[in-house]
Amino acid sequence: SQQGEEDPQALSIQEGENATMNCSYKTSINNLQWYRQNSGRGLVHLILIRSNEREKHSGRLRVTLDTSKKSSSLLITASRAADTASYFCATDALEAGTALIFGKGTTLSVSS
Amino acid sequence: GAVVSQHPSRVICKSGTSVKIECRSLDFQATTMFWYRQFPKQSLMLMATSNEGSKATYEQGVEKDKFLINHASLTLSTLTVTSAHPEDSSFYICSARDPNRPSYNEQFFGPGTRLTVL
Repeated sequence: SQQGEEDPQALSIQEGENATMNCSYKTSINNLQWYRQNSGRGLVHLILIRSNEREKHSGRLRVTLDTSKKSSSLLITASRAADTASYFCATDALEAGTALIFGKGTTLSVSS
Repeated sequence: GAVVSQHPSRVICKSGTSVKIECRSLDFQATTMFWYRQFPKQSLMLMATSNEGSKATYEQGVEKDKFLINHASLTLSTLTVTSAHPEDSSFYICSARDPNRPSYNEQFFGPGTRLTVL
């Protein structure tokens, strides 16, 4: 099963620009998480935002959550070539102990 | 932090053979583990929930007789791809929750296993 959609599917920007990715989901959630995955590699956990939070920051990352619209956004500021990767949102349902459900992901390409 | 390992990291096998992938929680006990599959350029799709001491719960469309899951201990879950075919070639990722972590449900991922069926 897959929870949500992400847009854009692919994003190409220049170093120094900001990158914004959006995620929409369908069911009520406990929290929403963002992950990064470099090509052919495992997942790297970026940030978790709880359902009662609206915005969260971590370094160059800013995440927002709008539970009324069932959507989230991930902003990467001052992007670097090393930020090139796929980014996935994952939702954690209200029911305890259930699996994270991933969105389709956004492939970000940052050129120098 | 909590660490989840997978073995092997890569496996190449012939069509028709069976392949076993191990998922271990190294520094915590996991009553529940999850198995995901990821095809190239796609997202992670949940295959099944592995429960220690009981049968796994499979997602719709996942053949339980083809993807055998055994969660025999609190630190080990195995996924066996039986009679593998080229269409089973994929990246398989496991994850586990640490029940001692805060209630907002952190899930720890293994590094993945790349399966190639020739």
